[in-house]
Amino acid sequence: KAGVTQTPRYLIKTRGQQVTLSCSPISGHRSVSWYQQTPGQGLQFLFEYFSETQRNKGNFPGRFSGRQFSNSRSEMNVSTLELGDSALYLCASSLTPGQSNEKLFFGSGTQLSVL
Amino acid sequence: AQSVTQPDIHITVSEGASLELRCNYSYGATPYLFWYVQSPGQGLQLLLKYFSGDTLVQGIKGFEAEFKRSQSSFNLRKPSVHWSDAAEYFCAVGIHSGNTPLVFGKGTRLSVIA
Repeated sequence: KAGVTQTPRYLIKTRGQQVTLSCSPISGHRSVSWYQQTPGQGLQFLFEYFSETQRNKGNFPGRFSGRQFSNSRSEMNVSTLELGDSALYLCASSLTPGQSNEKLFFGSGTQLSVL
Repeated sequence: AQSVTQPDIHITVSEGASLELRCNYSYGATPYLFWYVQSPGQGLQLLLKYFSGDTLVQGIKGFEAEFKRSQSSFNLRKPSVHWSDAAEYFCAVGIHSGNTPLVFGKGTRLSVIA
């Protein structure tokens, strides 16, 4: 069974641009969560999607958005990039929503560098 | 809201030595507790979890963790560390409502020396 797949693996953008990251969950998993990982802050929760609906959102500005498609694949978008958006963006999938009692399966992440 | 603290940013141990990584949580009731490991360039992998019952939890790769309610702790242990255990370790806390995202600690980086 294939794991969680995130594309692209690396991205370099300049300030002011926008970026779209993609996540394909494990087959059969309908819940997808996104995290931002930085050396100083650790993992910060961005949002969680289940059945194409956003169930939860973290404390990030509106420049960060996401969506989920009918096949459970998810994308997140960051508009008007800032230097501070440089981070590893991790996607995690699970069978059902509600991370507190679920085992999360993580992808290898997309490393975003903003210059 | 729940929170979790990993007091040690970086720990270095010798191969074959024992290991204990500390995790303290803050929550008014019994939480769900997790330990994840992240190898370089990889995503996170679940090592073990505590939901209820026996306070000593066994995980993969020879790891175990003990839930101590009186100390609000969930420390991760391994009796003999291997060089392949070098990685970053994250403790996470969840609550029983199910609709609240996991809160992760900032991680402890483990280095293993010969």
